[in-house]
Amino acid sequence: AQSVTQLGSHVSVSEGALVLLRCNYSSSVPPYLFWYVQYPNQGLQLLLKYTTGATLVKGINGFEAEFKKSETSFHLTKPSAHMSDAAEYFCAVSEPQAGTALIFGKGTTLSVSS
Amino acid sequence: KAGVTQTPRYLIKTRGQQVTLSCSPISGHRSVSWYQQTPGQGLQFLFEYFSETQRNKGNFPGRFSGRQFSNSRSEMNVSTLELGDSALYLCASSLDRPGTDTQYFGPGTRLTVL
Repeated sequence: AQSVTQLGSHVSVSEGALVLLRCNYSSSVPPYLFWYVQYPNQGLQLLLKYTTGATLVKGINGFEAEFKKSETSFHLTKPSAHMSDAAEYFCAVSEPQAGTALIFGKGTTLSVSS
Repeated sequence: KAGVTQTPRYLIKTRGQQVTLSCSPISGHRSVSWYQQTPGQGLQFLFEYFSETQRNKGNFPGRFSGRQFSNSRSEMNVSTLELGDSALYLCASSLDRPGTDTQYFGPGTRLTVL
């Protein structure tokens, strides 16, 4: 069965600092991996997704993530945090061959201080 | 192109009542998925509809049901409400397979059960 673990329910960084949000997954078949962001009182917005091919995926707002099969990880990074990045971030996995729904991690709240 | 819309945005009900939530997907999207989001359990998959048929179902009691109309609009119903049903209910639409095609989320319906 597929599952997602997000290490750290809360991450705090200073404006301009590196953002690193960790995600590890479990899947019995090659997965598709996603990062979504949720701002207060809003739905989820897709940041980026990995399907096949290039393991470094670039998304919106300067975010990127790298798929590492050997480590079963899909960590999200941004070189320089901005105040507007403060939000909750969700990692998700799917098994497209099985036609399953997205399975989400518990989420990581990112705080950015000036 | 208009995004996913959900109505109502906020709802207050009492225990034992029933509630119906509505979701209008992005034009052309035929798959609609529903998720429940709570602080304790995170994002949990309820069910997915495609071409008026339930294609996938999560692990929720039978009090939770849904349907999809020929125009792809979807409704979910919760009968005999319990306090634990208080949550943000998110609807997401995609062209076809939600695990393969990008899912676009609506802003959610905040349900409070008193």
